[in-house]
Amino acid sequence: DAMVIQNPRYQVTQFGKPVTLSCSQTLNHNVMYWYQQKSSQAPKLLFHYYDKDFNNEADTPDNFQSRRPNTSFCFLDIRSPGLGDAAMYLCATSRRDRVYSNQPQHFGDGTRLSIL
Amino acid sequence: AQTVTQSQPEMSVQEAETVTLSCTYDTSESDYYLFWYKQPPSRQMILVIRQEAYKQQNATENRFSVNFQKAAKSFSLKISDSQLGDAAMYFCAYRKSWNTDKLIFGTGTRLQVFP
Repeated sequence: DAMVIQNPRYQVTQFGKPVTLSCSQTLNHNVMYWYQQKSSQAPKLLFHYYDKDFNNEADTPDNFQSRRPNTSFCFLDIRSPGLGDAAMYLCATSRRDRVYSNQPQHFGDGTRLSIL
Repeated sequence: AQTVTQSQPEMSVQEAETVTLSCTYDTSESDYYLFWYKQPPSRQMILVIRQEAYKQQNATENRFSVNFQKAAKSFSLKISDSQLGDAAMYFCAYRKSWNTDKLIFGTGTRLQVFP
């Protein structure tokens, strides 16, 4: 089945130690998103790519970076994780399409990040 | 700026009964898209149902249906014949246009289903 795959499912890192989360998709969608979700809250959009165009949210800390080397893969880099960055990180994809315009976002299972 | 409001942080329903989750939004657009997403505990967020604002007919997907009131900017979700597997966080979301990628989420409603 076509899907959005996030690795790893659980990630533990040390305070200040860089960490990378990965996302891949087999849906051939042209938009990929990274969200941060804390317990019982709505997902908070960090940034997204439309093809290679990067769109950063105004309140996303500089500590968070992203790379999209090709259509299928997208990475979230946290340069110096702080205790406040412990959260679930969700990757999502969608297809921007003028004809089939009500395309939803498809989410991965998420990566739960813990900071020691 | 567009906003989405879910005024019910928690709801509960008995198995086989019907429950309605409310959602209101604020926008000055005339064409836009609305979604309900379900997120079970520790599981993937999945689409429940979607509605295009230009369609007057309410969307339905099996036991899930919406009551879309465009003038009132209301988009409630009705779950009929509730099942234990319906227990989850439900998020209402708004998208401005076909070429706007960003979703505006509500704060969510936690639905409990009792046997």
